[in-house]
Amino acid sequence: EAGVTQFPSHSVIEKGQTVTLRCDPISGHDNLYWYRRVMGKEIKFLLHFVKESKQDESGMPNNRFLAERTGGTYSTLKVQPAELEDSGVYFCASSPAGTGLAFFGQGTRLTVV
Amino acid sequence: EDQVTQSPEALRLQEGESSSLNCSYTVSGLRGLFWYRQDPGKGPEFLFTLYSAGEEKEKERLKATLTKKESFLHITAPKPEDSATYLCAVRETGGSNYKLTFGKGTLLTVNP
Repeated sequence: EAGVTQFPSHSVIEKGQTVTLRCDPISGHDNLYWYRRVMGKEIKFLLHFVKESKQDESGMPNNRFLAERTGGTYSTLKVQPAELEDSGVYFCASSPAGTGLAFFGQGTRLTVV
Repeated sequence: EDQVTQSPEALRLQEGESSSLNCSYTVSGLRGLFWYRQDPGKGPEFLFTLYSAGEEKEKERLKATLTKKESFLHITAPKPEDSATYLCAVRETGGSNYKLTFGKGTLLTVNP
């Protein structure tokens, strides 16, 4: 069974540009999460989807971040325009309905220069 | 606000030298405490979930325990392949989400 898959694995963009990260959860998992780890800090929650609906987006830093989950399948996280402080590793995770046991992807390392 | 503190930040052991990692937490109510292992360049890999004080779980050389304020990850006779960052995370009661609050992790290095 395929795990959580994230694309790309690395992205280097200039300040002011737009970047879109993609996450394919484990098939059948209703819950999808985005987390972020900036250098020297702990992994922090960004938001939680249940199917296509946003259950909790309390961790989203600001309105430059937009997350979508089309049809309750894959999800995208767009950063527009990117700022230097957005650099970090973005993790996606998924869990089956009714459980919070999250399985993580390998992460996307975003560098804004 | 929830807080999860892991200690030590880094730990270097010789192969076979047993030790413990600590995770202390402050939450209004615990819905679950999770231990993950993370290798360089990879995402966190699930190890254990503990739900109530006194609970223990084991997997190979690892054993996780839980009290009302902290959890320990005991490593017995570690091997070099146990080298990784070990992450602790908590889920709080209340609400309908499954948000995890992580500690910064303990970087474990096991020398042959």
